[in-house]
Amino acid sequence: DAGITQSPRHKVTETGTPVTLRCHQTENHRYMYWYRQDPGHGLRLIHYSYGVKDTDKGEVSDGYSVSRSKTEDFLLTLESATSSQTSVYFCAISEWTGQETQYFGPGTRLLVL
Amino acid sequence: AQKVTQAQTEISVVEKEDVTLDCVYETRDTTYYLFWYKQPPSGELVFLIRRNSFDEQNEISGRYSWNFQKSTSSFNFTITASQVVDSAVYFCALSETGANNLFFGTGTRLTVIP
Repeated sequence: DAGITQSPRHKVTETGTPVTLRCHQTENHRYMYWYRQDPGHGLRLIHYSYGVKDTDKGEVSDGYSVSRSKTEDFLLTLESATSSQTSVYFCAISEWTGQETQYFGPGTRLLVL
Repeated sequence: AQKVTQAQTEISVVEKEDVTLDCVYETRDTTYYLFWYKQPPSGELVFLIRRNSFDEQNEISGRYSWNFQKSTSSFNFTITASQVVDSAVYFCALSETGANNLFFGTGTRLTVIP
């Protein structure tokens, strides 16, 4: 158990509404990540953080923003949700860089109608 | 450019059979890291193994074994005497030096039939 929780675990929302997903860790790991999982694509990186207020874009960052005001929390925001953002979202943590093993949270299933 | 290919989309085996899941990768880095994760029907991602590019020694953990061959850019995963609890989607992933993310393959869904 890597001490990662995600909330909510399931969410249904409508196109155009803002959505915020939360990732919380209890072990003070420096690196945190947001991935999305879609059929036929595996998991793809959206954004990651390497410290408080330090974030960077990943492979599929368009339409998403993130914030990290505390070591333990990493928020993913969909400013105006679209149906193409229907997906399963996973948060991950690692102690150091991406070469270190990443441990994943339980996931959030998001449906945008 | 980095890429991970898991050509087997779905595999079905009968319980107690051995099964090998293939993973082929592409990278220009000389130092990189390879991973396998398991995603059971419950949906979470479970870390199985991490392997450095400079360590080609094969690894065995119980019924699981991994064969890393740099010459063929492959990192295959074998389950011996499969069990129903092995039914899951298995992902292979690659991380390059200086990169901050994992590049995942599309996964192989393994079904073990009792």
